[in-house]
Amino acid sequence: GAGVSQSPSNKVTEKGKDVELRCDPISGHTALYWYRQSLGQGLEFLIYFQGNSAPDKSGLPSDRFSAERTGGSVSTLTIQRTQQEDSAVYLCASSLGQSKWAQYFGPGTRLLVL
Amino acid sequence: KQEVTQIPAALSVPEGENLVLNCSFTDSAIYNLQWFRQDPGKGLTSLLLIQSSQREQTSGRLNASLDKSSGRSTLYIAASQPGDSATYLCAVFGSGNTGKLIFGQGTTLQVKP
Repeated sequence: GAGVSQSPSNKVTEKGKDVELRCDPISGHTALYWYRQSLGQGLEFLIYFQGNSAPDKSGLPSDRFSAERTGGSVSTLTIQRTQQEDSAVYLCASSLGQSKWAQYFGPGTRLLVL
Repeated sequence: KQEVTQIPAALSVPEGENLVLNCSFTDSAIYNLQWFRQDPGKGLTSLLLIQSSQREQTSGRLNASLDKSSGRSTLYIAASQPGDSATYLCAVFGSGNTGKLIFGQGTTLQVKP
């Protein structure tokens, strides 16, 4: 079946603009995760959804970052007033549930803030 | 705070060699551990998931072991091939039962023909 998909694959934006990143999880996966991968920080957890609720938002770096999930499926990560330090690869993953299930990752969105 | 370390950071071997990648973690109270590979410019591909009650998992030429008491996992790759060249990441499921993965920095493997 189809894996996790993300769009856009690449995004170039100017500092101060808002961006939206989209994630389509594997069908039937109730858990969805966002991570960020940057050269200096490696892979960092951002937020976790179970269904449409987000019990763990502890990784969001500032209040400029927000995410939502609708219909227990698609998720959108929004970054407001982008800064150059937001440049990174944003990865989405999904799993059948929490903890004991394997996570499967999408190809990522490469964000460059000029 | 859980920390994950992978050694070595980079490894270059001739084709056909058997090799071991190491992963260590500071808090032994983990739920599970997952190994991934990442090709340049790509996302992560899941290789193996080891449940906390298991000691090892095998998939083809890959074998991963887990020793929770010592805070270590190893990924064994048999008869390496140039197509195995990639960055290998290990990740542990963190506390709080949310499934949040905590990643090591990865081992970049090059297998020379």
